[in-house]
Amino acid sequence: AQSVAQPEDQVNVAEGNPLTVKCTYSVSGNPYLFWYVQYPNRGLQFLLKYITGDNLVKGSYGFEAEFNKSQTSFHLKKPSALVSDSALYFCAVRPPFADKLIFGTGTRLQVFP
Amino acid sequence: DGGITQSPKYLFRKEGQNVTLSCEQNLNHDAMYWYRQDPGQGLRLIYYSQIVNDFQKGDIAEGYSVSREKKESFPLTVTSAQKNPTAFYLCASSENRGSSYGYTFGSGTRLTVV
Repeated sequence: AQSVAQPEDQVNVAEGNPLTVKCTYSVSGNPYLFWYVQYPNRGLQFLLKYITGDNLVKGSYGFEAEFNKSQTSFHLKKPSALVSDSALYFCAVRPPFADKLIFGTGTRLQVFP
Repeated sequence: DGGITQSPKYLFRKEGQNVTLSCEQNLNHDAMYWYRQDPGQGLRLIYYSQIVNDFQKGDIAEGYSVSREKKESFPLTVTSAQKNPTAFYLCASSENRGSSYGYTFGSGTRLTVV
């Protein structure tokens, strides 16, 4: 079965430090990859996506993600975390020709002052 | 501005009542989706629709019903058969199957049983 894994329920990081939120996937073919962020009581907001090309994708709010085909990973990164980055982050994958995204279970990011 | 609108933002239901959550989009997207989110949890797919007058069950369709009479609208009814309906409900839309577009989400409806 096709799946997306976010192995960490929560990631804690001090403000100003780099952050990484991990995502791996098990999907046949070349999928499209996405990251979304959710603030409390809000819908999910699009951060970035990988379609093809450069393995490092830049997105909103200073976030970037690194695609690694051999490791089937798409980790979200930011060089310097802000307290306001604290939120729930979802990785998602759309397999080729699929009619819906497959979401990971989400990772809560806590940035401490 | 184009977007997807969910209403109401908060909804209270008495035991045994059916309630309908509204989802409207003006993005001209073909596909629409309903998800349920429980506190601190991930997303679970309830129903989705790729085209007008057609929809498919997701992973947790029991106790819910939908219609897709117009491209712009995809209302979700939470029926009395849904035993634990208290949750945050999210609607999303997307372009056609296989699109690289991803989803646009609404801001959600929080349903509470009283």
